[in-house]
Order: sequence, then C-alpha cells, then structure tokens
Amino acid sequence: DGGITQSPKYLFRKEGQNVTLSCEQNLNHDAMYWYRQDPGQGLRLIYYSQIVNDFQKGDIAEGYSVSREKKESFPLTVTSAQKNPTAFYLCASTLSPGGGYNSPLHFGNGTRLTVT
Amino acid sequence: SQQGEEDPQALSIQEGENATMNCSYKTSINNLQWYRQNSGRGLVHLILIRSNEREKHSGRLRVTLDTSKKSSSLLITASRAADTASYFCATANQGGSEKLVFGKGTKLTVNP
Repeated sequence: DGGITQSPKYLFRKEGQNVTLSCEQNLNHDAMYWYRQDPGQGLRLIYYSQIVNDFQKGDIAEGYSVSREKKESFPLTVTSAQKNPTAFYLCASTLSPGGGYNSPLHFGNGTRLTVT
Repeated sequence: SQQGEEDPQALSIQEGENATMNCSYKTSINNLQWYRQNSGRGLVHLILIRSNEREKHSGRLRVTLDTSKKSSSLLITASRAADTASYFCATANQGGSEKLVFGKGTKLTVNP
C-alpha cells in the first residue's frame, strides 16, 4: 500500500537537544511538506520541497532544518534554537507541486514531540 | 498566516442529523479543499473545489463555494458517530502560490 510513514509516533527530548523526525513516502510524489499543529490550531507550514536537493522556508522555519537527498525522504530536525518545540508535527506530500495545488495533500499520521 | 476561518469552532449534533460547517477566506483563490482529522491522526483529504465551480458532491458530503462572498460550506448529511472529527478548509491562493493555507478547523461531535 502506498502512503506516508512518520516515525516515531511519540518523541520525548530534553531542552537543548536537537531531534530529527522521519518522513518517508512511497507515493512517488515530487513535493513534500512539514506542518506544525498546536492544540486547537490549524496547520502552519515549516518547510517544503518540490524537488530533490531543493527546499524552501515556510511561515515558521526558524529553529528547524530539513534535507531532501532522496525523493522519498524529507526529515525534519528540530534544533535547540526552536523556542517552543512541543507540538504535533505532520508531514505531507502531493503529486502536483507549484501554483494551483490541484492535487490534494496526503498526510502521515504525525509525530507528537514533547520537550521538557 | 491563516487564510481560511472555519465557523463554528465546535459543533455537537445527534446521529442522523446534518452538519454544516463554514469557511471564509480573504484573498482570491485557485481552489479550496476540505480535510478531516481524527484525534491524534493525520489529515485526510475530502473534497477539492475549484474557483470556477459552485458545488461538488462526494457521497454524504456536499461542498459549496461562493467566490463573491469568499466563503465555502461543507455539509455532511445523515451524520454518523464515525464522522466525529475536526474538519479543516484550506485554500490555494491565486498568483502561483506554492502554499496551501489551513484554517483552525471545526470540531464536530456526533452523539450516538
């Protein structure tokens, strides 16, 4: 079955540590995205990538970093510079990137990160 | 930046009733999409409606779009307990924007 896999489902870290969230897709989609969701809030875009070896900042990129070395993988690193990292992180992909968004986003089931 | 604004924030109904959720947005769009999110899970795409479309159906779902009022509604008919979830609208803005902007969602509870 095709889909997006995020791991782990729950992640706990101490303040000051960097942590990397995994996102893998086997849908052969070109575009991949990372969103952050806080309780009772919508999704805010962190980073997105439309093609391998290229990515752009979203609305809240500060304190985060990404890489896109392979089409199927788009890991997100939450660095110690992120002031309030505790949140639910969602990875998504779509077949048709760019202006128009005429293809829907496919989401993984998220990683809940808790930093204490 | 939030573009879509869902209304109401929360809705509680009985099984069998219809549920209507509304979404308002500010700028011209290329299309508008509705997603469902079960608690603690990822979002699932429901319907995409283009700016030149006025109504779209998918099973028990009916979406309308009024570009003059910059608003959309999602109607779920004959609701079931399994429809309990949060529902989000998302807009793809005109002008070649590469971002899909999500609202804060409507939390729907369907009581058995």
